[in-house]
Amino acid sequence: GDSVTQMEGPVTLSEEAFLTINCTYTATGYPSLFWYVQYPGEGLQLLLKATKADDKGSNKGFEATYRKETTSFHLEKGSVQVSDSAVYFCALSDYVADKLIFGTGTRLQVFP
Amino acid sequence: DARVTQTPRHKVTEMGQEVTMRCQPILGHNTVFWYRQTMMQGLELLAYFRNRAPLDDSGMPKDRFSAEMPDATLATLKIQPSEPRDSAVYFCASGAPGTGETQYFGPGTRLLVL
Repeated sequence: GDSVTQMEGPVTLSEEAFLTINCTYTATGYPSLFWYVQYPGEGLQLLLKATKADDKGSNKGFEATYRKETTSFHLEKGSVQVSDSAVYFCALSDYVADKLIFGTGTRLQVFP
Repeated sequence: DARVTQTPRHKVTEMGQEVTMRCQPILGHNTVFWYRQTMMQGLELLAYFRNRAPLDDSGMPKDRFSAEMPDATLATLKIQPSEPRDSAVYFCASGAPGTGETQYFGPGTRLLVL
């Protein structure tokens, strides 16, 4: 079945460092891809999404490009802030079952 | 600013007691999801509904959990009897037709079963 694989965390960075969180997927069709973020004590929030190959989703300085050839949707940010500390979830849409399939989440910790 | 609301936000109960969690989806959203999040298992999909009809509840322990949508503005998740292993954060999320499967999450109910 469809699945999402994320890099293990935690990812620990200093403020203003470059961030990459890897995400790869397995899908039989052409799913939409998502990044959600969960801040401490809160629910998940949509960060960005891409609906077809080569689309780039972006929001709040974060970017991810839908790469069909490598089945990847890596999350990047050029300069992280302490306020970016959170858990990041990669997800894909399962059109057959009409639901999202989430990765296990990657915790990001940014220190001043 | 439309949001998914969940009540209660926190619940402490004793083993064997009934627990009911409520969710109010965003007005106009026709799909509702229930998730459970724990440190050990991560985020698990328990059940989901479309137009108030259950689509899949295979992620839910059938003997003690039940999920319903009495009307379009209310979804409930019930545990009876509760057990310590049910301690987790339970999230409700809703989605609208034509939004590309985007789900909007509530703040969660943090459940502790002693």
